[in-house]
Amino acid sequence: GEDVEQSLFLSVREGDSSVINCTYTDSSSTYLYWYKQEPGAGLQLLTYIFSNMDMKQDQRLTVLLNKKDKHLSLRIADTQTGDSAIYFCAEIPSSGTYKYIFGTGTRLKVLA
Amino acid sequence: GAVVSQHPSRVICKSGTSVKIECRSLDFQATTMFWYRQFPKQSLMLMATSNEGSKATYEQGVEKDKFLINHASLTLSTLTVTSAHPEDSSFYICSANGGKETQYFGPGTRLLVL
Repeated sequence: GEDVEQSLFLSVREGDSSVINCTYTDSSSTYLYWYKQEPGAGLQLLTYIFSNMDMKQDQRLTVLLNKKDKHLSLRIADTQTGDSAIYFCAEIPSSGTYKYIFGTGTRLKVLA
Repeated sequence: GAVVSQHPSRVICKSGTSVKIECRSLDFQATTMFWYRQFPKQSLMLMATSNEGSKATYEQGVEKDKFLINHASLTLSTLTVTSAHPEDSSFYICSANGGKETQYFGPGTRLLVL
């Protein structure tokens, strides 16, 4: 089946690092994405990583990809209260249709 | 760049009426747009893939006569919920391919059917 799994909830203190994990299913996926959704809003593209990369860093965000274990993570450094949101990982399986398979979403709560 | 808009952002309608939701790519052309439905505290459920100039491709279990999709131009796709019922109340989100694989999402439309 095509299930992309994430832990449902993460709580961190302001200033700490947050690590959100995702386990995907298709080892042939070419791109893997991280999106952020604030309450009542659409999805904001945060970053993505191509499957031939192990790591990608973009300011406070670091994406790690372990293809062997089909594990993707998003690390947010110096987490701020404005980072509180739901984070979705998504993969494009190798079916060639550009359809995303979304993870279940992780609700990040940042405590002041 | 890569901005996608949706209109309306919120709509309340009576049961039995039809509601049209527009999805526009503002600064790029999108041959493919996607329509999603999101229930509270859940992930996005893909409803259909909208292709410019051709019929939409619906996911299993989505009624194509209930959710009419028209992709009339490279910047506009519309979703019409026909004969809406309270169970159609949901958050509807569209996305557009901004080139290759990446999808850019609209802000969503909250539909409430009374």
